[in-house]
Amino acid sequence: ETGVTQTPRHLVMGMTNKKSLKCEQHLGHNAMYWYKQSAKKPLELMFVYNFKEQTENNSVPSRFSPECPNSSHLFLHLHTLQPEDSALYLCASSPRTSGGGANVLTFGAGSRLTVL
Amino acid sequence: GQNIDQPTEMTATEGAIVQINCTYQTSGFNGLFWYQQHAGEAPTFLSYNVLDGLEEKGRFSSFLSRSKGYSYLLLKELQMKDSASYLCAVTDSNYQLIWGAGTKLIIKP
Repeated sequence: ETGVTQTPRHLVMGMTNKKSLKCEQHLGHNAMYWYKQSAKKPLELMFVYNFKEQTENNSVPSRFSPECPNSSHLFLHLHTLQPEDSALYLCASSPRTSGGGANVLTFGAGSRLTVL
Repeated sequence: GQNIDQPTEMTATEGAIVQINCTYQTSGFNGLFWYQQHAGEAPTFLSYNVLDGLEEKGRFSSFLSRSKGYSYLLLKELQMKDSASYLCAVTDSNYQLIWGAGTKLIIKP
């Protein structure tokens, strides 16, 4: 496989459930990201990992817990979510996290999450 | 605060030309990106501008004016497959990406 792959594509969960989103990239990139996309709103950056180390947590509630076991895999563990957490969760990767030049993000197709 | 403004929705006719504008107010500037996102799909990279002027890539062109905090994406010879959302994003002085809410482009036959 190539590019960025996210699973599952769709997830419905109750507020007391525990679930996880998975992201995998085969591009040799060093940086990985979780974004939240809600209708008619800008992409919200949640977490950034650089060489497996978390470099940014954008004031995300603790009910979202990221995990990055290596530079190719990223997880988002979900626990006791709220209905307002329903959204499209996008994973992305890039060669690096900062610096000059076009640091282009490659996105996965997203996991559509519905919290009941 | 930092802000990116772009129209919420635009409609154009197949075969025509459309210009999608993006204005930004950010803490510094280190480049501007345009991404395309078809419904239910991943955003994909279209263009990157860091210097003033026009960058052309086939039917798509992107323009930047740093002094005006302004960019546009120009799509020529529109095709039905160009129906998508177009996302503008600016890299600020800390290399953080600031995103607009996207412009949904509807192409009519």
